[in-house]
Amino acid sequence: AQSVTQLGSHVSVSEGALVLLRCNYSSSVPPYLFWYVQYPNQGLQLLLKYTTGATLVKGINGFEAEFKKSETSFHLTKPSAHMSDAAEYFCAVSNSGGSNYKLTFGKGTLLTVNP
Amino acid sequence: DAGVTQSPTHLIKTRGQHVTLRCSPISGHKSVSWYQQVLGQGPQFIFQYYEKEERGRGNFPDRFSARQFPNYSSELNVNALLLGDSALYLCASSWAAGTDYEQYFGPGTRLTVT
Repeated sequence: AQSVTQLGSHVSVSEGALVLLRCNYSSSVPPYLFWYVQYPNQGLQLLLKYTTGATLVKGINGFEAEFKKSETSFHLTKPSAHMSDAAEYFCAVSNSGGSNYKLTFGKGTLLTVNP
Repeated sequence: DAGVTQSPTHLIKTRGQHVTLRCSPISGHKSVSWYQQVLGQGPQFIFQYYEKEERGRGNFPDRFSARQFPNYSSELNVNALLLGDSALYLCASSWAAGTDYEQYFGPGTRLTVT
């Protein structure tokens, strides 16, 4: 079975500060890893994903994440936070094999950006 | 192009009733997945359908069922509603089955069971 742990249900940063959202995963097979963002009263939007290849993945809105197999981590970062980044962020994992039909999500991290 | 659409937006039902939620995928997408998001939690996978066949099912009771129509739209049905079924139900569409293909999420249907 796969699982995702997001450390910190709530992260607060100042505008212009570094954003770091932590995600650790558990998977018995090579994983696909994803970060999604959810704004209030909206569905989820894909920020970035790792499947194979380069372990540093760049996504939309200036976000990036690094897959570290030895640490089973896929932390999300952004060098400089904007007010518009305030939202809930979800890390997710899926199988890379033939049964990769579902995403397993973490509980989410609410990001607050202070002016 | 229109994104994934879901109806209704909000719904209030009583315990024991039945509910049907609807989803229209992005044009050209042949796969639809359903997720349940309880307040304060991440989404949990319920079903995935591709070309009108069930490709995967999550750990949900048989009260939950779904189907996909020839035009690739989908319905999620929940029978004998419980208070614990109160949640945001998300539909996601993708070009084909599997997480190799980006899943585009709709805005969800907020179900409240009283």
